[in-house]
Amino acid sequence: GAGVSQSPSNKVTEKGKDVELRCDPISGHTALYWYRQRLGQGLEFLIYFQGNSAPDKSGLPSDRFSAERTGESVSTLTIQRTQQEDSAVYLCASSLLVNNYGYTFGSGTRLTVV
Amino acid sequence: AQTVTQSQPEMSVQEAETVTLSCTYDTSESDYYLFWYKQPPSRQMILVIRQEAYKQQNATENRFSVNFQKAAKSFSLKISDSQLGDAAMYFCAYRSARDAGNMLTFGGGTRLMVKP
Repeated sequence: GAGVSQSPSNKVTEKGKDVELRCDPISGHTALYWYRQRLGQGLEFLIYFQGNSAPDKSGLPSDRFSAERTGESVSTLTIQRTQQEDSAVYLCASSLLVNNYGYTFGSGTRLTVV
Repeated sequence: AQTVTQSQPEMSVQEAETVTLSCTYDTSESDYYLFWYKQPPSRQMILVIRQEAYKQQNATENRFSVNFQKAAKSFSLKISDSQLGDAAMYFCAYRSARDAGNMLTFGGGTRLMVKP
């Protein structure tokens, strides 16, 4: 596609439920990144993919968070048993090469846990 | 670990005036990249300008320029002839040149308001 697409744009969920956030990167971009942005704060790195592999998962806040990528394309970020502190905007970005410093970001998913 | 600090939570500027946003960072590395991103209400992060640490010349992009002081670990953004469309959150970010993963470390952001 022309840009990085994320869905849903907004998600409200009840505490304890599981959610899946989706990211469609720019076609051909081999690297994909997930960041979390809490209200009024900067971006916090979660995980990145090189192809379908995730060499660095150190940013995932807990074992309730997981992510996968298939076909070197779509990625899903799953949060199990959501907690109120998970409320944030989740931003996805992609780039042509892992060492290419040019990211393209999506518009994010705003997750609200009530 | 690297840290990025933006000490100004909010800044205000009159339309057509100039404003400077501050950023400092902490690193023990000598080779790295620095970035300024703009985040309007649409939430999409837009790259404004980038600087390679090995370059002494300050980067410029139209009305946007940086003052890169490597020894002081300072990387400020100057916006000249401010426009209403410049109103947004601005984030400073750091990337190590040795980092194979290309991860960015972000500061906490500065909200820029532009007064007509």
